[in-house]
Amino acid sequence: QVQLVESGGGVVQPGRSLKLSCAASRFTFSTYAMHWVRQAPGKGLEWVAVISYDGSDKFYADSVKGRFTISRDNSNNMLSLQMNSLRLEDTAVYYCALRFNTWLYNAFDIWGQGTMVTVSS
Amino acid sequence: EIVLTQSPGTLSLSPGERATLSCRASQSVSSTYLAWYQQKPGQAPRLLIYGASRRATGIADRFSGSESGTDFTLSISRLEPEDFAVYYCQQYANASYTFGQGTKLEIK
Repeated sequence: QVQLVESGGGVVQPGRSLKLSCAASRFTFSTYAMHWVRQAPGKGLEWVAVISYDGSDKFYADSVKGRFTISRDNSNNMLSLQMNSLRLEDTAVYYCALRFNTWLYNAFDIWGQGTMVTVSS
Repeated sequence: EIVLTQSPGTLSLSPGERATLSCRASQSVSSTYLAWYQQKPGQAPRLLIYGASRRATGIADRFSGSESGTDFTLSISRLEPEDFAVYYCQQYANASYTFGQGTKLEIK
């Protein structure tokens, strides 16, 4: 079935950069908008960014605007999140997600397992 | 930005009881774009309800959603042991999404 697998998480110092990846499989990746959602330890969910199916449109949460860049490689079924100028408050599990079934309006029915990013000095 | 406020923060109930979880929006939200998710420890969220009241595929009919103005409700008619988890509401508007802070449903 439809699968998303995140990678690239780790421990990074404040102010440094990190790039996350999300490998998509078993669906036509190039026809779906893709999202990143994060969850700080013990906290709730926070939407981070979305990219349109062809990469032409990108939108970000105010908390990451100007620091994070979402991108995609449709030839390799890969979603990415370049995170620059990382802050302590960016520490979280990062999920990639999408609305796969088109009748679901804008709800996310497919999620990856998440990758942990820890920003610490 | 539309803020979603969920209440209560924690709800303690017993299996078999009815649960009522609330999600209040700071301004008008289209019911089309209001969803509910369930999350268990160490797992990704799972979609329960979309369009405020429509059950996602495979979701038991004891879960239901409703709306009244800017107030949205997730109801679980008869709690099963597997229903004890954290629940989040989510909305979409103007190319942005927000989640509520969550309601933890715990066994009494």
